Amino acid sequence: DIVLTQSPVSLAVTPGEPASISCRSSQSLVHSNGYNYLDWYVQKPGKSPQLLIYVASNRASGVPDRFSGSGSGTDFTLKISRVEAEDVGVYYCMQALQTPPLTFGGGTKVEIK
Amino acid sequence: EVQLLQSGGGLVQPGGSLRLSCAASKFPFASYAMTWVRQAPGKGLEWVSTLSGGAESAYYADSVKGRFTISRDNFKNMLYLQMNSLRVEDTAVYFCAKDILNNWDDPGAAFDIWGQGTLVTVSS
Repeated sequence: DIVLTQSPVSLAVTPGEPASISCRSSQSLVHSNGYNYLDWYVQKPGKSPQLLIYVASNRASGVPDRFSGSGSGTDFTLKISRVEAEDVGVYYCMQALQTPPLTFGGGTKVEIK
Repeated sequence: EVQLLQSGGGLVQPGGSLRLSCAASKFPFASYAMTWVRQAPGKGLEWVSTLSGGAESAYYADSVKGRFTISRDNFKNMLYLQMNSLRVEDTAVYFCAKDILNNWDDPGAAFDIWGQGTLVTVSS
């Protein structure tokens, strides 16, 4: 099974400042078609998860452009260019290359300073 | 509004059974695979099971294989999770989620619509 390791486990960010979350995979997530099958989700307090990024760098519908995904192979990054109070939550990466099983990272908790 | 509305859940004794339901609305239900994801108290997300749009292919996490059964009724736009032989470690909030894919013949699963979650507590 593919193991995803996220870092940091938590981070506190001043509003308006950038934030960056890393997701490292135990195996390459590049398919033979060239796409990297890595998604990002956020789970805001008391809510269901919501899709932010799919195929490593594609923003889901309605996701603000301050969110961006990058990376290839085994190293991926989610960046928030300017953190807002509403961005508080736990961020998860998920691999969708080798399924089943589908696997999630352990999560990164984002808080506001 | 496109949504998934969950029902079922509750308190059950170890070894007992429970069925979760997930009602879909405002999208072509049969065109998409559907998935169950769970979250133990204070923990992260864990994939449980996925069923293709036409119900041809079902997939299960090793932790639930042989005990849980995923099913769907494409006429009623309903997804189900029958959970048998429940264990204390199955205690979690269970979410249903809509995939952007119809099946898992190719990679690229992503879940763009989620239910509100339902709590399953397994305890004596």
